Amino acid sequence: DVKVTQSSRYLVKRTGEKVFLECVQDMDHENMFWYRQDPGLGLRLIYFSYDVKMKEKGDIPEGYSVSREKKERFSLILESASTNQTSMYLCASLKRGGAKETQYFGPGTRLLVL
Amino acid sequence: AQKVTQAQTEISVVEKEDVTLDCVYETRDTTYYLFWYKQPPSGELVFLIRRNSFDEQNEISGRYSWNFQKSTSSFNFTITASQVVDSAVYFCALSEVGTNAGKSTFGDGTTLTVKP
Repeated sequence: DVKVTQSSRYLVKRTGEKVFLECVQDMDHENMFWYRQDPGLGLRLIYFSYDVKMKEKGDIPEGYSVSREKKERFSLILESASTNQTSMYLCASLKRGGAKETQYFGPGTRLLVL
Repeated sequence: AQKVTQAQTEISVVEKEDVTLDCVYETRDTTYYLFWYKQPPSGELVFLIRRNSFDEQNEISGRYSWNFQKSTSSFNFTITASQVVDSAVYFCALSEVGTNAGKSTFGDGTTLTVKP
């Protein structure tokens, strides 16, 4: 079974703090993604990576950065957290090619910025 | 730019009714994937189906069926004989392929409530 894990289910931070959200997948997937989910807005792509050290901006990258030093790990960084970054953050991964080219999602991290 | 529209924000039905969730998409790509996901109250996204843009065959899986019509850019999802456990938020998504496989645009979701 594919497993995508996220470092925390719930996180409370203060405005201005640097926040790291970690995502790890154990199935040698090339592509990894960070989305945020807000009520009534569906999921919006923040960043994605198609290889180690490679990253591309998604639809809403402002205020975020990412790091992919190893294939299995994709980190989302909030350099200076703000209250409008309070949200649910979902990580996903995908193995390119073949019949199983499907995103697998982690359980999500609910971030509250005070 | 890609766009996915789920016009129904909320649907409420009584158990055993059939229900169809609509999804309309826009893309300039000739090759793409379409997905449906279920998000129960627990919050985790559950994959339901993936469709390739070149495969317009309808699909049935138990009580679930999907109707893909490229001519109208629609990918609708029908639940037959709905059950209380079907209550969830359902998302339709459009994804790129190739190196960007999985890079997805999601609709805003349809909240389905099935009452006993």
